[in-house]
Amino acid sequence: AQRVTQPEKLLSVFKGAPVELKCNYSYSGSPELFWYVQYSRQRLQLLLRHISRESIKGFTADLNKGETSFHLKKPFAQEEDSAMYYCALRSTGFQKLVFGTGTRLLVSP
Amino acid sequence: DVKVTQSSRYLVKRTGEKVFLECVQDMDHENMFWYRQDPGLGLRLIYFSYDVKMKEKGDIPEGYSVSREKKERFSLILESASTNQTSMYLCASFEGSGELFFGEGSRLTVL
Repeated sequence: AQRVTQPEKLLSVFKGAPVELKCNYSYSGSPELFWYVQYSRQRLQLLLRHISRESIKGFTADLNKGETSFHLKKPFAQEEDSAMYYCALRSTGFQKLVFGTGTRLLVSP
Repeated sequence: DVKVTQSSRYLVKRTGEKVFLECVQDMDHENMFWYRQDPGLGLRLIYFSYDVKMKEKGDIPEGYSVSREKKERFSLILESASTNQTSMYLCASFEGSGELFFGEGSRLTVL
């Protein structure tokens, strides 16, 4: 069964500090992993996906198949990064995404 | 830009009432989804549809049904609303590469 675990409900950091939002998954095949973000009073939107290997708003995430993880990282957090972050998994060939429970990131000045 | 529009942002209903949540997308996507979003539980899939008149149960379909009569429209129906269905409901449509486009959400309160 597919499962996505985000162990932290809340992550609170100061501006300029490094950030790592944890995501672990369980899936026996080749998954596609995503990070979605929801800023206050905005709709949920895609932040990045593992296959594109790009940095969005300074965030990166590397798929580690050995540790079945897809942690989201940013070296220097900004106040505007405060939001709800969801990790999601899609099994190859299927349309539906399975989401984790989400981590609220709070960046204080 | 893809647009997914949910007709009702806020609804208050009474226990036992029938509730319709409407969702329309304007990008000709074949796949559409209904999730509910609850604090601490994340997003849970209720139903999805991969074509007109086709539907599949998600992880929590009990108490819900859906309708997809036209490609652009996907409706979620609560036949008899209950207080445990108080939640934020998110509609999404799917673009082939894996990106889901979400609506703004419909916050339903059942009294």
